[in-house]
Amino acid sequence: NAGVTQTPKFQVLKTGQSMTLQCAQDMNHNSMYWYRQDPGMGLRLIYYSASEGTTDKGEVPNGYNVSRLNKREFSLRLESAAPSQTSVYFCASSEFRTQEYEQYFGPGTRLTVT
Amino acid sequence: DAKTTQPNSMESNEEEPVHLPCNHSTISGTDYIHWYRQLPSQGPEYVIHGLTSNVNNRMASLAIAEDRKSSTLILHRATLRDAAVYYCILRDVWDYKLSFGAGTTVTVRA
Repeated sequence: NAGVTQTPKFQVLKTGQSMTLQCAQDMNHNSMYWYRQDPGMGLRLIYYSASEGTTDKGEVPNGYNVSRLNKREFSLRLESAAPSQTSVYFCASSEFRTQEYEQYFGPGTRLTVT
Repeated sequence: DAKTTQPNSMESNEEEPVHLPCNHSTISGTDYIHWYRQLPSQGPEYVIHGLTSNVNNRMASLAIAEDRKSSTLILHRATLRDAAVYYCILRDVWDYKLSFGAGTTVTVRA
């Protein structure tokens, strides 16, 4: 049971390049999330998918697109990377129960845009 | 969204208890209080959550004030592995999302 996995672990891009960050979970969760974390700061929500077939913007969606490929997989795409997108990206998943609610996080992708 | 206020940092000695305060004076009746922690170079992990009553689990205890305007996360015997950033988060019962602040950086001295 791997939990939430993310690929790649590290990536260096040049300004203007594109890339897709991959996330998969094996806990049969309905909801998945993408966050970014800049140095010394808390996590900020980029996009989330409450259930398969739906996606919604979070706090900082500009410059990103997402795809909920199936129940297990949720990808984040940077179409034209900018230095301001240098950050650590975390994927998370959860099962939505009003009282018992816990998000499980992946290990993160460390992205540098030069 | 209701906001939380936490100290920037706290220090503790190994094997001593740690009490992490969180103020949430604008909490609403449907807000759960969640605590997550983030070990160095890792993703956050769930610690505990509660609504009105105090809660205990294998990792920690959560003490919630009677008026719910503040709460305290208690680590009963700190270990070096407990050195992390601890986030206090309010989540409406119907909301999917968590909103992370800057958290409290806990340092544990051997």
